[in-house]
Amino acid sequence: QQKVQQSPESLTVSEGAMASLNCTFSDGTSNNFRWYRQHSAKGLEVLVSIFSDGEKEEGRFTAHLNRANLHVSLHIREPQPSDSAVYLCAVSSSNTNKVVFGTGTRLQVLP
Amino acid sequence: DPKIIQKPKYLVAVTGSEKILICEQYLGHNAMYWYRQSAKKPLEFMFSYSYQKLMDNQTASSRFQPQSSKKNHLDLQITALKPDDSATYFCASSQATANTGQLYFGEGSKLTVL
Repeated sequence: QQKVQQSPESLTVSEGAMASLNCTFSDGTSNNFRWYRQHSAKGLEVLVSIFSDGEKEEGRFTAHLNRANLHVSLHIREPQPSDSAVYLCAVSSSNTNKVVFGTGTRLQVLP
Repeated sequence: DPKIIQKPKYLVAVTGSEKILICEQYLGHNAMYWYRQSAKKPLEFMFSYSYQKLMDNQTASSRFQPQSSKKNHLDLQITALKPDDSATYFCASSQATANTGQLYFGEGSKLTVL
């Protein structure tokens, strides 16, 4: 059973400072990773998708994947107060149609 | 315009009653899902459907029954409601399987069971 853990549980940064979020997963066959954002119990929006080791950038959002270490991270460059939300890591593998979400990191960006 | 419509947005039910959560997607997707999010747990996978057929089911209780009358519909019937069922239920869809395509989410139906 896939386990996806995120850290930290909550993070406060000042506007303009880099925000870094972490996600670890347990299934080494996982090959599909996405970061989603959720504002105040609303629907989720995808930020960045990554499928191979290395880095993937989408605007101010950059994902880093290291499958050997079972780790994927999200870095938010120049965060703004409107980026305050819960960030969710989502992991799946080619042998399942199920996406498992992490526990979430609540980000607060102070002006 | 929202592409995945969930109804109702909020609902209150009494213990033991039955409710149906509606989900329609207008993205032309072939796969649909239900997820549950409560205060105590992360976003939790419940069901996945592809071409109106059940692909995966992680819900322990038979009180939760998905219903797909059309390709772009996946309703969720919940019977014998319990207070622990209180949560926000999210419907999602993807073009193909979730492993190859990203998930698109509705805004959720928040259920409170008294």
